[in-house]
Amino acid sequence: DTGVSQDPRHKITKRGQNVTFRCDPISEHNRLYWYRQTLGQGPEFLTYFQNEAQLEKSRLLSDRFSAERPKGSFSTLEIQRTEQGDSAMYLCASSLGVGDTEAFFGQGTRLTVV
Amino acid sequence: AQKITQTQPGMFVQEKEAVTLDCTYDTSDQSYGLFWYKQPSSGEMIFLIYQGSYDEQNATEGRYSLNFQKARKSANLVISASQLGDSAMYFCAMRERTTSGTYKYIFGTGTRLKVLA
Repeated sequence: DTGVSQDPRHKITKRGQNVTFRCDPISEHNRLYWYRQTLGQGPEFLTYFQNEAQLEKSRLLSDRFSAERPKGSFSTLEIQRTEQGDSAMYLCASSLGVGDTEAFFGQGTRLTVV
Repeated sequence: AQKITQTQPGMFVQEKEAVTLDCTYDTSDQSYGLFWYKQPSSGEMIFLIYQGSYDEQNATEGRYSLNFQKARKSANLVISASQLGDSAMYFCAMRERTTSGTYKYIFGTGTRLKVLA
């Protein structure tokens, strides 16, 4: 078990470009979360998957953001037409979904929009 | 309304001393979970300790203990025998059930701990 893996670790993109991030959760975990963290703040919830179903989306997730989890395994988060305000750390987490268990986080993808 | 409140933006502690990081929470749920995470400069969120709302005993994990006072809605983290490697951001989080029946974790703004040699 290698933990939650995120790729890439860093991404610099020009404003207006599209970017896609990938998250590979711990293999037996059926719950997957995406969070966004800006400098000096705690992580903010973006969206939640249970297996392949996206069951919860935050108001922070504008229509430029889309997340998928095909087959209930890895997940992708795409941001279209990036804006400078999208610059942040994007964290993925997974949990077992049985009982009240902790979520395990990946190392995050740091996005810089220039 | 803020659900998790961490009132200490920064804390200093001398190496080998104990330190308490404060956390208060707000929820109307009867069943909830409270968590502490450590975030070093590398960015990864590392799970430290968990307390269930129905747990009567305070949680302990090695040098970490959680001082859970349910009536006051506080869940303070106590780190004993601080080490230089404990220097990091610490986040208190609550797992709550959403209106749609799913779960999400809500985080506070964090406390930056600096351990002094």
